Amino acid sequence: QSVLTQPPSVSAAPGQKVTISCSGSSSNIGNNYVSWYQQLPGTAPKLLIYDNNKRPSGIPGRFSGSKSGTSATLGITGLQTGDEADYYCGTWDSSLSAVVFGGGTKLTVL
Amino acid sequence: EVQLVQSGAEVKKPGESLKISCKGSGYSFSNYWIGWVRQMPGKGLEWMGIIYPGDSDTRYSPSFQGQVTISADKSISTAYLQWSSLQASDSAIYHCARYRQVTTLRYFDYWGQGTLVTVSS
Repeated sequence: QSVLTQPPSVSAAPGQKVTISCSGSSSNIGNNYVSWYQQLPGTAPKLLIYDNNKRPSGIPGRFSGSKSGTSATLGITGLQTGDEADYYCGTWDSSLSAVVFGGGTKLTVL
Repeated sequence: EVQLVQSGAEVKKPGESLKISCKGSGYSFSNYWIGWVRQMPGKGLEWMGIIYPGDSDTRYSPSFQGQVTISADKSISTAYLQWSSLQASDSAIYHCARYRQVTTLRYFDYWGQGTLVTVSS
């Protein structure tokens, strides 16, 4: 089991909006910044969001991040078929002294 | 342009040793942490550890401490992940990534393409 909990899968139609949740505890999300990664099929992960809600250069504004308490959320609007991928949240866990990731969420754009 | 280029796929037998590499370019390699992340077949991401090439300060995940060795040669901008005795359970894709950390802000901003390691008799 992963330290951070994500839903295994989410789906939505093209053009719609989807949110992916990431639940943790005070030792990780509650007191550390969250990042999100996109892994397209057969490729390496790519940074989507850091510092809870900041986008690296080149990441479209359709992707957004937020955090409240011990949970974080990734939002994707205007879904495209090219967004089909696995999405992971990550943060530092102060109790484990380790970077921890969620188990990943597979996004299907129907 | 920041790039991390990893060594190619490996097929090994149980008990053999292995060292895979990750070469950075487009930035000051010595001044940024490099991390290693394991991804077992069809599974999620697992953090293995990080190294600061400037002084070789190395931190391991408790789950991987003693199982692998992380090293770096700043003169050739390359980080390494090595095993002394592979097991079938080490079969996975291994990703290197540049690791940013400032107090509680920590994330991987650039990733290598991954190295597939297959251990089979």
